[in-house]
Amino acid sequence: QITLKESGPTLVKPTQTLTLTCSFSGFSLSTSGVSVGWIRQPPGKTLEWLALIYWDDDKRYSPSLKSRLTITKDTSKNQVVLTMSNMDPVDTATYYCAHSYSWRPPFTFDPWGQGTLVTVSS
Amino acid sequence: QSALTQPASVSGSPGQSITISCTGTSSDVGGYNYVSWYQQHPGKAPKLMIFEVSYRPSGVPDRFSGSKSGNTASLTISGLQAEDEADYYCSSYTGSSTYVVFGGGTKLTVL
Repeated sequence: QITLKESGPTLVKPTQTLTLTCSFSGFSLSTSGVSVGWIRQPPGKTLEWLALIYWDDDKRYSPSLKSRLTITKDTSKNQVVLTMSNMDPVDTATYYCAHSYSWRPPFTFDPWGQGTLVTVSS
Repeated sequence: QSALTQPASVSGSPGQSITISCTGTSSDVGGYNYVSWYQQHPGKAPKLMIFEVSYRPSGVPDRFSGSKSGNTASLTISGLQAEDEADYYCSSYTGSSTYVVFGGGTKLTVL
């Protein structure tokens, strides 16, 4: 059974850097074709894909946020870390990490973590 | 404004069928058979219901089905049940540097 769980601060100040950790079990991020992505959802709004990292450390970023995002993995710890710099109140959202199977189409996320709400406020 | 267009809301009575549309362009929905549908109950994480336009992951009831015609994908739920009341989001691979786009979401109300 694959499970993922996000962790990190619930409140950050404007201009600060957000660091979120996705801890997972039930799969290895060293298995060919596997990837983990981050997706966010502002309160009452739709989903927005942020970043994705593959088993071979290849990375993809949303063009609109690329300059602010960094995604890394620690295969030995079964963790993926997302950092987002220069946080703004509009970045207030629930942040999800999600798994993607190697045999499914790209950017097909299943399952998702429970999500973590991050509020940006001074 | 979301990249993919969905109706804001749909409704149906138990036992009925409903269809949710998801309209994109030839650069996303129309260009690839990589449309997915997610179900999200209030306060919960999204759950994959359909991938690659019409395939169901293990455990998803066959009441859920997907299809595509041109630049529009559709999710049909037959035999509506109260537990189907949720928000539904479509997504599509784009093949560009955007990689994946989501719809604005549709709130399904079971009357």
